[in-house]
Amino acid sequence: GAVVSQHPSRVICKSGTSVKIECRSLDFQATTMFWYRQFPKKSLMLMATSNEGSKATYEQGVEKDKFLINHASLTLSTLTVTSAHPEDSSFYICSANSGATNEKLFFGSGTQLSVL
Amino acid sequence: GEDVEQSLFLSVREGDSSVINCTYTDSSSTYLYWYKQEPGAGLQLLTYIFSNMDMKQDQRLTVLLNKKDKHLSLRIADTQTGDSAIYFCAEWPYSGGGADGLTFGKGTHLIIQP
Repeated sequence: GAVVSQHPSRVICKSGTSVKIECRSLDFQATTMFWYRQFPKKSLMLMATSNEGSKATYEQGVEKDKFLINHASLTLSTLTVTSAHPEDSSFYICSANSGATNEKLFFGSGTQLSVL
Repeated sequence: GEDVEQSLFLSVREGDSSVINCTYTDSSSTYLYWYKQEPGAGLQLLTYIFSNMDMKQDQRLTVLLNKKDKHLSLRIADTQTGDSAIYFCAEWPYSGGGADGLTFGKGTHLIIQP
């Protein structure tokens, strides 16, 4: 099946630094990619939807200047957490849509971000 | 707004059947999904069902949908230790346009007793 590669799987950084997370669709073109954030013992929350070549659509309450999303090609989307703080520590997961329906929605393996 | 509810924990004995329940509020939901998440890993799509179906079976997995009550369940037959994970119910109110994100429940942690 289709594979979505997410990198890095784990990152520890100092408060105030920026962290970039990559999400790649390896064997299909992803016109749409989604970024989710998972809090401990809580559900996955959709942060933003990115379409190739256009600006991302952010969900209510998500700071677009804090979480920069770039979807420069049909196989790559990046999420940059700028000036990270401890409250940004979380598990971030991307997913990519290979077709018109979410039936073909594949997830990356996630990135555990820990901000010290 | 949309809301998906599921129990946080379920404990079953190895070899028994596990039934994980989920309720949702959005009556326009078209696709309903079950995902499995193992510790530290991403999500694995287990199965999905269209809202015009009542039941779907796939090997050890059986999905039942009661659209009137907005209730979805996932039954895992002959539960094994490898089934230990968090199971997420998710719904997608397909609007016919672009691709929208899913709404997830909080996840049910399935615990297997030997």
